[in-house]
Amino acid sequence: GDSVTQMEGPVTLSEEAFLTINCTYTATGYPSLFWYVQYPGEGLQLLLKATKADDKGSNKGFEATYRKETTSFHLEKGSVQVSDSAVYFCALSDQSNTDKLIFGTGTRLQVFP
Amino acid sequence: GAGVSQTPSNKVTEKGKYVELRCDPISGHTALYWYRQSLGQGPEFLIYFQGTGAADDSGLPNDRFFAVRPEGSVSTLKIQRTERGDSAVYLCASSPQRGTEAFFGQGTRLTVV
Repeated sequence: GDSVTQMEGPVTLSEEAFLTINCTYTATGYPSLFWYVQYPGEGLQLLLKATKADDKGSNKGFEATYRKETTSFHLEKGSVQVSDSAVYFCALSDQSNTDKLIFGTGTRLQVFP
Repeated sequence: GAGVSQTPSNKVTEKGKYVELRCDPISGHTALYWYRQSLGQGPEFLIYFQGTGAADDSGLPNDRFFAVRPEGSVSTLKIQRTERGDSAVYLCASSPQRGTEAFFGQGTRLTVV
């Protein structure tokens, strides 16, 4: 079945460092891909999404490109801030008639000043 | 405006007891999803409602789990004869319709002792 694999954390960075969180997926067909973020004490929020190959999703300085050839959707940010500290989840929506989300295990990002 | 509301935020129950978890979706959202998130894992799909009907309950782990949405708005997840392995955060999400962004509640943390 469909699945998502993302790099284990925690990822620990200094403020203004470059961030990459790797995500690869296995799916039949062409799912939509998502990054969700969970800040401490808050619920899951959609960070960005891409619905077809070569689409780039972007929001709050974060970017991810839907790469069909490598089945990847890596999250990047050029300069992280302390406020970016959170848990990041990569997800895909399945191609059934529900659009339910299939999540990776999450990657905790810790940014220090 | 109000987001997705889940009550209670925390629930501690004894093994073997019955529990109900409530989700108030965003007004007007016809699609409603329940997920379960165990410690250190990503959310896992449980059940999807389109309106009043459960369109996909393939994620419910066994027949101790049941969910309803009688008027197409509020949903209740019901767990009978709780087991310690049921301990997790139960998340609810709603979206205006299938295929649009899902908005998550903050979850109910269930602990079975």
